[in-house]
Amino acid sequence: QSVMTQPPSVSGTPGQRITISCSGSHSNIEINYVYWYQHVPGTAPKLLISRNDQRPSGVPDRFSGSKSGASASLAISGLRAEDEADYYCAAWDDRLSEQVFGGGTKVTVL
Amino acid sequence: QVQLEQSGAEMKKPGASVKVSCKASGYTFTNYDINWVRQAPGQGLEWLGWMNANSGNTGYARKFRGRVTMTRDISLMTAYLEVTSLTSEDTATYYCARSVTPALGSDFWGLGTLVIVSS
Repeated sequence: QSVMTQPPSVSGTPGQRITISCSGSHSNIEINYVYWYQHVPGTAPKLLISRNDQRPSGVPDRFSGSKSGASASLAISGLRAEDEADYYCAAWDDRLSEQVFGGGTKVTVL
Repeated sequence: QVQLEQSGAEMKKPGASVKVSCKASGYTFTNYDINWVRQAPGQGLEWLGWMNANSGNTGYARKFRGRVTMTRDISLMTAYLEVTSLTSEDTATYYCARSVTPALGSDFWGLGTLVIVSS
């Protein structure tokens, strides 16, 4: 079981807005930055959101991140077929002195 | 452009060791850390640890301490991950990923190295 909790799956129709939650604790999300990765199986994971809410160069503004307390969220607006992938939140955990990942959320575009 | 080129797939027997390489290009190797992350079949991402490419300092996830070693050859701009005492539960794709520090996100990742442990 992961230190941070994500829903196993989220689905939506093209054009819809969906959100993926990531629930952690004081030792990780609350006091450290949250990162979001998009992973299409068989390819390299891609950094989608940095430092809670910053989009790296080249990431569409359809993707946005937020954090409140010990929880974080990734929103995808204007959902597209190409957004089908697994999404992971990650943060440093001060208690463990380790980087920890959420369990991952599979996004399906119906 | 930044690239992390990983070594090819490996098949090992239980109890053996494996050493995976990650060759960096397109940036100053010693200015960044290298993290190692794995994904077992049907499972999520799991962090194994980090190595400072300049100093060679390392930090390992508690689960892997004593069984994982991260090293580098600065002249070759290559990082290495060695995992010993392999079991079937180590069957996974192993990724190297660049970060400024292990507490900050990894902005570039390798394509992964598949390691299969089977008798």
